[in-house]
Amino acid sequence: QKEVEQNSGPLSVPEGAIASLNCTYSDRGSQSFFWYRQYSGKSPELIMFIYSNGDKEDGRFTAQLNKASQYVSLLIRDSQPSDSATYLCAVTSGGSNYKLTFGKGTLLTVNP
Amino acid sequence: DTAVSQTPKYLVTQMGNDKSIKCEQNLGHDTMYWYKQDSKKFLKIMFSYNNKELIINETVPNRFSPKSPDKAHLNLHINSLELGDSAVYFCASSQSAGGREFFGPGTRLTVL
Repeated sequence: QKEVEQNSGPLSVPEGAIASLNCTYSDRGSQSFFWYRQYSGKSPELIMFIYSNGDKEDGRFTAQLNKASQYVSLLIRDSQPSDSATYLCAVTSGGSNYKLTFGKGTLLTVNP
Repeated sequence: DTAVSQTPKYLVTQMGNDKSIKCEQNLGHDTMYWYKQDSKKFLKIMFSYNNKELIINETVPNRFSPKSPDKAHLNLHINSLELGDSAVYFCASSQSAGGREFFGPGTRLTVL
């Protein structure tokens, strides 16, 4: 069973701080990694994707991938109250690498 | 203008009934998906179609039957609804299988 593990939280950070969200996955063959943000009562929204080892930055968001450790993380710099949401890690799995397996999500709360 | 749309947004029905949910995407994507998100917010893939061909069929009761009349549409029919079917059902699409997925607004199904 291919798994994606996330700390369910809640993770609480003060406004302006760095929020660090972590994810581990079990399928060594996974090639694509995604972070989705889901506000309460809304649909998941893609915020970052990463395919290669290392860091990828987009505005206040940085995704980090370490395939050897089977670990992917999301850093949110200068956290804002509007960043308060559940963050879902998703990893392609399955032999053909086209099925997304989601983690259970980490609830982030940014306190003003 | 909506990229991925679903109808209805809410569906309340009695046990044993049959119901359908419709999904349409205007992004020109080749691949469409159905996900189920349960009360614990766990998002799990059910089905995926690529160019009208079924490519992912997870362990889902055969009371659930997807249909893709064309690349832009993917419908989900559910027979003999059970209490445990209550969840939010999300449709999603991607340019190709395994690519970045864009989600519809969701259909909240409540079975009484």
